[in-house]
Amino acid sequence: SQQGEEDPQALSIQEGENATMNCSYKTSINNLQWYRQNSGRGLVHLILIRSNEREKHSGRLRVTLDTSKKSSSLLITASRAADTASYFCATDGGWAYKYIFGTGTRLKVLA
Amino acid sequence: AAGVIQSPRHLIKEKRETATLKCYPIPRHDTVYWYQQGPGQDPQFLISFYEKMQSDKGSIPDRFSAQQFSDYHSELNMSSLELGDSALYFCASSYDLYGELFFGEGSRLTVL
Repeated sequence: SQQGEEDPQALSIQEGENATMNCSYKTSINNLQWYRQNSGRGLVHLILIRSNEREKHSGRLRVTLDTSKKSSSLLITASRAADTASYFCATDGGWAYKYIFGTGTRLKVLA
Repeated sequence: AAGVIQSPRHLIKEKRETATLKCYPIPRHDTVYWYQQGPGQDPQFLISFYEKMQSDKGSIPDRFSAQQFSDYHSELNMSSLELGDSALYFCASSYDLYGELFFGEGSRLTVL
C-alpha cells in the first residue's frame, strides 16, 4: 500500500502567493523528506525533517511534521514561476534502505 | 560537485529484449537505491544496496536483477522486457543512514 499520500494532487497559484502541500503516511518513520521534480528530470532534495522535529525552515520553505497524525506539510512562500514542478514527500517507514514516495503534488505558478 | 551518473540516458528496446542500466554514485556514498517512475506516476522503489550487499527490495519484477560492484557502481538488468516496463529509471545514492538521497537524471527506457 502507498506509504505516502499527498494532497492536493494539483495546485495552481499566482506568483507571489503561498503554496501548501500536504503528505500523509501510514507507518512510523525516522524522517520525512521533501523532493522537487521538474518534468522528466531527476528528483532534487529540498528538506529533511526528523521524527523528533516539529518544524523546519529552509529559505522560502517551511515544513511541519505531526507524527501523531502521521502527516507533514510543505509551505512555499512568495512563490515564483520557477517553483513550477512536482513535489513529493518520501518516508523511510522505519527502514534505512527503503524510501517510499507519495503520489506528489503538481504545482503550477502563474506569472 | 560530483553527482550521480546514470547511463544510458535514453534506451529503446523491443519486447522480450534485455536492457542494462548503470549507476555511478557520488564518491564515498555507500548506499544506492533504484526507482522506477511511469508517466505521471510517483517513483516506485525497486531495490537498494548498502556496501555492495542488497539491503532492501520493493516491487521489483523477477525479470529484473541488480547488483552493486566493488567500485560501488550499480547495474539494473531487465530481461524479457514488456511494454509496461517503459519508464524513467532513477538511481539515487546517500552517504548517511537516514540522510538525503541524491538522484541521477534518470534513464528513460522505451519498450516497443
